Amino acid sequence: ETGVTQSPTHLIKTRGQQVTLRCSSQSGHNTVSWYQQALGQGPQFIFQYYREEENGRGNFPPRFSGLQFPNYSSELNVNALELDDSALYLCASSVGRGGALGKDTQYFGPGTRLTVL
Amino acid sequence: GEDVEQSLFLSVREGDSSVINCTYTDSSSTYLYWYKQEPGAGLQLLTYIFSNMDMKQDQRLTVLLNKKDKHLSLRIADTQTGDSAIYFCAEGPYDYKLSFGAGTTVTVRA
Repeated sequence: ETGVTQSPTHLIKTRGQQVTLRCSSQSGHNTVSWYQQALGQGPQFIFQYYREEENGRGNFPPRFSGLQFPNYSSELNVNALELDDSALYLCASSVGRGGALGKDTQYFGPGTRLTVL
Repeated sequence: GEDVEQSLFLSVREGDSSVINCTYTDSSSTYLYWYKQEPGAGLQLLTYIFSNMDMKQDQRLTVLLNKKDKHLSLRIADTQTGDSAIYFCAEGPYDYKLSFGAGTTVTVRA
C-alpha cells in the first residue's frame, strides 16, 4: 500500500505567475484535502474534494482552485501568485469525507514547498 | 470560529516525560488530534480522541481531554531523541476542515 505522494517537492515562482501542485491519494482513499502551512504556523485548510466534487472550503480566495480526477488524485491550482503564497502545501487523503468515528482520519503527504519571489 | 493555541517550545531530558498542552475554543469540536512533523516532512498522525472521552492511552502516548475547560494534553512517556519534532494539536467538527495550532517544538536533550 503506497502512502500519499506529492509533486513537485520544491518550486520557485515569481509574483503573478500560476502554479499547479499534484497529489496522489493513498490507495483506497476517495477524499483529498489541501492545506497551506506558512513558515512557523500550523496548516490552514484550503478545501476538500470528495468523489471529484468540492466538499468544503476554508478562507482562501477564488484564485485557489482544485480538481480531483476519477482515480482520486488531485491538483491544487493557484493563479496570480502573491508573495504571501510562499508556504508548504500539504495534501491529505482519507477514506471518506468525515463524520465516521475515526474511519475518515486524514493521512498527509510530505508537501510541496512553494517559494514566490 | 476555530482557534487552537499551544505553547511554542518544550525542552525535555531524554527518559523524562513530556507534556504538551493545547486549548481550543470551538465547543462543537468532535474530534481532537495530535500530529507530529519532523523537519522537511509532512504530518504524521499520532493519536486522536473523541469529545465524549476523557482519556486515551496508546503505548507511550496518553491524551487527556478536559472538555469543560477545552484543554487537551499529550503526554509522551520515556521521551527519546527520536521524539524531537513539532507537535500539532488539531480539532474539527468532522474529520475534514481541521483547525491546527501553531505547533509545539519539542527538543529532547541527552
